[in-house]
Amino acid sequence: AQSVTQPDIHITVSEGASLELRCNYSYGATPYLFWYVQSPGQGLQLLLKYFSGDTLVQGIKGFEAEFKRSQSSFNLRKPSVHWSDAAEYFCAVAYKAAGNKLTFGGGTRVLVKP
Amino acid sequence: DAGVTQSPTHLIKTRGQQVTLRCSPKSGHDTVSWYQQALGQGPQFIFQYYEEEERQRGNFPDRFSGHQFPNYSSELNVNALLLGDSALYLCASRPLAGHTGELFFGEGSRLTVL
Repeated sequence: AQSVTQPDIHITVSEGASLELRCNYSYGATPYLFWYVQSPGQGLQLLLKYFSGDTLVQGIKGFEAEFKRSQSSFNLRKPSVHWSDAAEYFCAVAYKAAGNKLTFGGGTRVLVKP
Repeated sequence: DAGVTQSPTHLIKTRGQQVTLRCSPKSGHDTVSWYQQALGQGPQFIFQYYEEEERQRGNFPDRFSGHQFPNYSSELNVNALLLGDSALYLCASRPLAGHTGELFFGEGSRLTVL
């Protein structure tokens, strides 16, 4: 069964510092990979996605993520964090063979210090 | 262009009662999925509907049922509510044809079971 692991439950980062959120997935086939962001009391907004091709993908709000097949990872990065980036971030995986349903990780809550 | 809309936004029920949540997909989308997000966790897939039929189902009991109408809107019904059903219920939509796996989420319906 497909699964997603986000090892860091909470991360605190200073405003202006860089941010990296880890994501690992398990399953043999090549997945579709996503990062979503959720602000308190809100739904999920897609930051970026990977389907194929270039393993470094750019998203909205200055985020990027790199797919590393050898490590089964899809880590999210941002060079300089803004206070508005404080939110919960979810990595998700989907497989065409599994009907493209999304399987989410447990999320990483990002706190931004002034 | 309206996105995914859900109603109600919040509701409180007692154990044993039944609840119906509603979802209108994004314009141009004909596939609707429902997810349950318990507090502090990632969303869990409940089921997916297109062409007015349930096409895929996650690991949820039969107390959870749904419906899709000809206009592509959808309902999620939960019978015999348990305390553990308290969660944010998210509806997501995408087009069936030519889709890229990306889901568009509503802001959710927060259900509290007392």
